[in-house]
Amino acid sequence: EVQLLESGGGLVQPGGSLRLSCAASGFTFSSYAMSWVRQAPGKGLEWVSAISGSGGSTYYADSVKGRFTISRDNSKNTLYLQMNSLRAEDTAVYYCAKGPWAAVAGTTFDYWGQGTLVTVSS
Amino acid sequence: EIVLTQSPGTLSLSPGERATLSCRASQSVSSSYLAWYQQKPGQAPRLLIYGASSRATGIPDRFSGSGSGTDFTLTISRLEPEDFAVYYCQQWRTFGQGTKVEIK
Repeated sequence: EVQLLESGGGLVQPGGSLRLSCAASGFTFSSYAMSWVRQAPGKGLEWVSAISGSGGSTYYADSVKGRFTISRDNSKNTLYLQMNSLRAEDTAVYYCAKGPWAAVAGTTFDYWGQGTLVTVSS
Repeated sequence: EIVLTQSPGTLSLSPGERATLSCRASQSVSSSYLAWYQQKPGQAPRLLIYGASSRATGIPDRFSGSGSGTDFTLTISRLEPEDFAVYYCQQWRTFGQGTKVEIK
């Protein structure tokens, strides 16, 4: 059974940093692209970032480029999102999501974690 | 950047009725990469349809997807109580804004 478990969310001040983790199990982690998708309170879904199965290719939404870094440790079956220079508008539930193949381009999201809440406020 | 526009914003229907949800792309997209998701309050989204028309694992056959180019449709043939939720279409980096299916 595929399981994705996010952690690392919390309250952080504007300009601060946070690192999210997503522990994966139930599938061959290195064989699949992974993504982060967020949802601001009461709003729709927004894709944030994606990484290929090998970790060699990464992609970012314009809204987070230069501030967020996606990475993965295939030996630990874990996905990360390092978030720096956080803004109030980054407040959201952050989901990790699994892609159906190793490449990122055109990916869909066949499994999702339950999400972790990030609140950016002073 | 492709924009996905979903309509209507809200659909008010009764259990047993047919629901037809639309997703229109600002430019032609590959059907291979068009997906639909269902999200209930307090839950993560769930993949319903991928490749525009293929049902994901465990999805009942009352859910169907169709379309190509710029126009795609999600149809729920007979609404069950558990189908009242928000539905999103998605293509690569872009999600539609969602359609809420509510009980009339």
